[in-house]
Amino acid sequence: NAGVMQNPRHLVRRRGQEARLRCSPMKGHSHVYWYRQLPEEGLKFMVYLQKENIIDESGMPKERFSAEFPKEGPSILRIQQVVRGDSAAYFCASSQDNDGNTIYFGEGSWLTVV
Amino acid sequence: SQQGEEDPQALSIQEGENATMNCSYKTSINNLQWYRQNSGRGLVHLILIRSNEREKHSGRLRVTLDTSKKSSSLLITASRAADTASYFCATAQAGTALIFGKGTTLSVSS
Repeated sequence: NAGVMQNPRHLVRRRGQEARLRCSPMKGHSHVYWYRQLPEEGLKFMVYLQKENIIDESGMPKERFSAEFPKEGPSILRIQQVVRGDSAAYFCASSQDNDGNTIYFGEGSWLTVV
Repeated sequence: SQQGEEDPQALSIQEGENATMNCSYKTSINNLQWYRQNSGRGLVHLILIRSNEREKHSGRLRVTLDTSKKSSSLLITASRAADTASYFCATAQAGTALIFGKGTTLSVSS
């Protein structure tokens, strides 16, 4: 049973370009979460999605960031017009439900903005 | 905002010693979970303790939860060099995403 798969693992973008990060949840999981981790810091919650619906986006910056989890295919975190401050590790996690059970993390996507 | 806060921020011990990390949180929770992160890697789930539980064991790990003090502790017994990592506590309320603390960086030297 494959775990949470994220790609790309590493991504370099110039300021002003777009970054697209993909996440395929574990098989049977319909809840997806995105977190951002800056160097030497903990994980900051960004957005929680369930198939085709955004449940909680309270951690998402209001501009340039968007997330989706379509009926078919992976969840996508999209960052438009990237700036140097967007450089971070972005982690996706998934769970079977939201009843407080374990969520499983992917290996992360490291975005570097130059 | 952060919900859990780990203490200490950094901990250095020798192999064979025990390591204790603490976590405090602010609001009521459904459960509390501990994760480990090796440098440059994703998070690995260690243990989940529910709000109605007080203690849980898994191998060399022992987790306690005191809901009256809104705190938890993670004890790693007989530590090994391979335990070197960052450890995070995360809290969950019903129907919400996990909220993480800033973590404790553990260094175990041989």
